[in-house]
Amino acid sequence: GAVVSQHPSRVICKSGTSVKIECRSLDFQATTMFWYRQFPKQSLMLMATSNEGSKATYEQGVEKDKFLINHASLTLSTLTVTSAHPEDSSFYICSAARAGGDSYNEQFFGPGTRLTVL
Amino acid sequence: QKEVEQNSGPLSVPEGAIASLNCTYSDRGSQSFFWYRQYSGKSPELIMFIYSNGDKEDGRFTAQLNKASQYVSLLIRDSQPSDSATYLCAVKREGGFKTIFGAGTRLFVKA
Repeated sequence: GAVVSQHPSRVICKSGTSVKIECRSLDFQATTMFWYRQFPKQSLMLMATSNEGSKATYEQGVEKDKFLINHASLTLSTLTVTSAHPEDSSFYICSAARAGGDSYNEQFFGPGTRLTVL
Repeated sequence: QKEVEQNSGPLSVPEGAIASLNCTYSDRGSQSFFWYRQYSGKSPELIMFIYSNGDKEDGRFTAQLNKASQYVSLLIRDSQPSDSATYLCAVKREGGFKTIFGAGTRLFVKA
């Protein structure tokens, strides 16, 4: 159990376009989902925390108007990179925390989405 | 000072040896500690978590936690080439799920 999927796994787009990435918990309900970005040879950087039915909480330095997050249900969160530019090229990874889990519960990571902006 | 610090490596060990990975953290309020393995181009996968001082063993892996020293380590016994990856240390405060990751240590296991 505890499978998280992401779609698409890889996307190449032109500068100025918007890209939507979906994150789904397939066999559990996730009250909280997280969006991370990882540049080559660097660690995961938390972008935002998404709670079902409420606005996402963005980390310092992350533009909320550029990275739109919607957590429409207990199994789906989406990240939209608006007006993407080459510097947004990165590996975007979502994770989900299981509803009802204890405070030690780990996050379950999706497989990631490789975004390349030309 | 980074919240979670790891030696970036690479750490190179021969096959069959013990690999020792170390991590320090700055927030004394941290309660839960995780080790993730990340292969190149893939997302992290959880190896172990620990929240009590001492050792916790799971197969070839042993996590060690010393809250007084704000130190957590991962030992990999009988290292295999398939263990070659980047190992991420992560810490979390009690309650909630926000987790802070270290930059990771690259491990190479030579056949």
